[in-house]
Amino acid sequence: AQSVTQLGSHVSVSEGALVLLRCNYSSSVPPYLFWYVQYPNQGLQLLLKYTTGATLVKGINGFEAEFKKSETSFHLTKPSAHMSDAAEYFCAVSAPNTGNQFYFGTGTSLTVIP
Amino acid sequence: EPEVTQTPSHQVTQMGQEVILRCVPISNHLYFYWYRQILGQKVEFLVSFYNNEISEKSEIFDDQFSVERPDGSNFTLKIRSTKLEDSAMYFCASSQRREETQYFGPGTRLLVL
Repeated sequence: AQSVTQLGSHVSVSEGALVLLRCNYSSSVPPYLFWYVQYPNQGLQLLLKYTTGATLVKGINGFEAEFKKSETSFHLTKPSAHMSDAAEYFCAVSAPNTGNQFYFGTGTSLTVIP
Repeated sequence: EPEVTQTPSHQVTQMGQEVILRCVPISNHLYFYWYRQILGQKVEFLVSFYNNEISEKSEIFDDQFSVERPDGSNFTLKIRSTKLEDSAMYFCASSQRREETQYFGPGTRLLVL
């Protein structure tokens, strides 16, 4: 079975500071991992994904995430927060060859302080 | 850039009424999904649909729910007799192939009174 844990339902950072949003997963097979962002009153927008290959993946808006199998983690980072990054962030896992549903974490609300 | 669209954006209904939520997936996608997000909770999988049949469904997707692709473009979720606990944001998603990235629509916020 697959599951996702996002530590910290709310994270606040100052503008220009490092953003770190944590995601740990559980999967019975090598997973595909995703980060989505949800702006107020909007749908889920894909930020980045890991399927195979390079474990450090870069996404839109300067975000990146690193797949660490030994730590079962896929933390999302951005070197310098911008006011426009304020949103809800969801980590998701899918299990290739066992089904195509996504399992989402509970989300992390990012606040950027000017 | 192609996107998934959903209508209506908001729907208010009385308990016991039927509702149909509509989605237009990205045109060359073959896999379609419904998820829901109860306020303050995680996004939960409801059902996936491929080749005109359900390929996976969760425990949430009971007999009150059904999905249909009535024509070449629309993908619908029907709730036959709504309950208060059906109040949620419902997201449609589509993907080109199984296990590929799922692209989400903006959601329909359903409120059952």
